[in-house]
Amino acid sequence: QVQMQESGPGLVKPSETLSLTCVVSGGPISDHYWSWIRQPPGKGLEWIGYIYYSGSTNYSPSLESRVTISVDTSKNQFSLKMRSVTAADTAVYYCARYNWSAYYFDSWGLGTLVIVSS
Amino acid sequence: DIQMTQSPSSLSASVGDRVTITCHTSHDIGNYLNWYQQKSGRAPKLLIYDASNLETGVPSRFSGSGSGTDFTLTITSLQPEDFATYFCQHYDGLPITFGGGTKVEMK
Repeated sequence: QVQMQESGPGLVKPSETLSLTCVVSGGPISDHYWSWIRQPPGKGLEWIGYIYYSGSTNYSPSLESRVTISVDTSKNQFSLKMRSVTAADTAVYYCARYNWSAYYFDSWGLGTLVIVSS
Repeated sequence: DIQMTQSPSSLSASVGDRVTITCHTSHDIGNYLNWYQQKSGRAPKLLIYDASNLETGVPSRFSGSGSGTDFTLTITSLQPEDFATYFCQHYDGLPITFGGGTKVEMK
């Protein structure tokens, strides 16, 4: 079973860039789609986007102008950058594997809380 | 974007109760719907895929039904470990969206 672990700063200042990395273990990153999903405190889930190991990406239209997802197959990891953050970007950020043949998220990281505050 | 409306947003129930959660979509998505369970402080876990298929290892008291725009998740006899929040998610194109969640609390 694939395991995933997010890492990155837990506190980011407004207008700066949020950067997170997800390390994948127990299986190659060279298959499926690798996603970022976030959940503001006490709220629902929001899909941010995903990347295929080849580097092909898709993003949520509401976030596309501020988000970049990249992959490093040599390190079996992928990353999220979100620019110009505001307090509204405060959330638990999850990385997850989107099983492209079954169309569901079948593995998730534990999640990491990112607070946007000065 | 396909809008996902879950109801109720929360409910109170007792162990042994039958619980029904609904998910309504703004467009016909066939059976392209999944259900997840999220316990407090944990990542979501897949329960049902393709609207009605039980994920391996999920107890048979969970079931899903529906197609088109209206879907239901049913727990036939609520157990203590089932108190959690439940989300629906569609996969009929991008962007992927989730319902707002239904929190099942102890009465």
